[in-house]
Amino acid sequence: NAGVTQTPKFRVLKTGQSMTLLCAQDMNHEYMYWYRQDPGMGLRLIHYSVGEGTTAKGEVPDGYNVSRLKKQNFLLGLESAAPSQTSVYFCASSAWGTGLANNEQFFGPGTRLTVL
Amino acid sequence: GQQVMQIPQYQHVQEGEDFTTYCNSSTTLSNIQWYKQRPGGHPVFLIQLVKSGEVKKQKRLTFQFGEAKKNSSLHITATQTTDVGTYFCAGREGGSEKLVFGKGTKLTVNP
Repeated sequence: NAGVTQTPKFRVLKTGQSMTLLCAQDMNHEYMYWYRQDPGMGLRLIHYSVGEGTTAKGEVPDGYNVSRLKKQNFLLGLESAAPSQTSVYFCASSAWGTGLANNEQFFGPGTRLTVL
Repeated sequence: GQQVMQIPQYQHVQEGEDFTTYCNSSTTLSNIQWYKQRPGGHPVFLIQLVKSGEVKKQKRLTFQFGEAKKNSSLHITATQTTDVGTYFCAGREGGSEKLVFGKGTKLTVNP
């Protein structure tokens, strides 16, 4: 099993350009998440999905859009990139349920994005 | 909204010294998770605590969940260079699908 994969690994954009980050998981997880990580800021949730065809806003959703057309894929889009979106982006997935069983999040390797 | 505060932000220790990081939530949590991120890597799940007052151990790591389920700590005994990284706590409220992460404690170990 590959777990959670992200493409691309690195990207440099100019201000105003658009791009899509792809996250794929092969664990049949219902839940998927997009985070951004900035120095000293920890992990901040951008958008998340609790199942195919659903999406919801997280803590810092502005400037981003997402889609979950297939259960295994979660796409993060930047329509008009800004320098403030320079960050490391992590995708994560977890199994359904918030009960006593572990519902740990499995993270992808990250995408390092620079917006000039 | 829910906030999770984590201290200290940085900790530098000599190999063999102990290390502790603390996590405090503004709201009562249903559970708390801990993750470790090695330099240049991605966060990796360590453990989940669910019950009030729960204590769990993983070799030299001891995790505690407070009685009020609003705070937690991670203690590492006799640190090793392999412990280097950033440790994050992440709290979950009620039936929420979301985790709220603390800002992390970056641990460096001097050999």
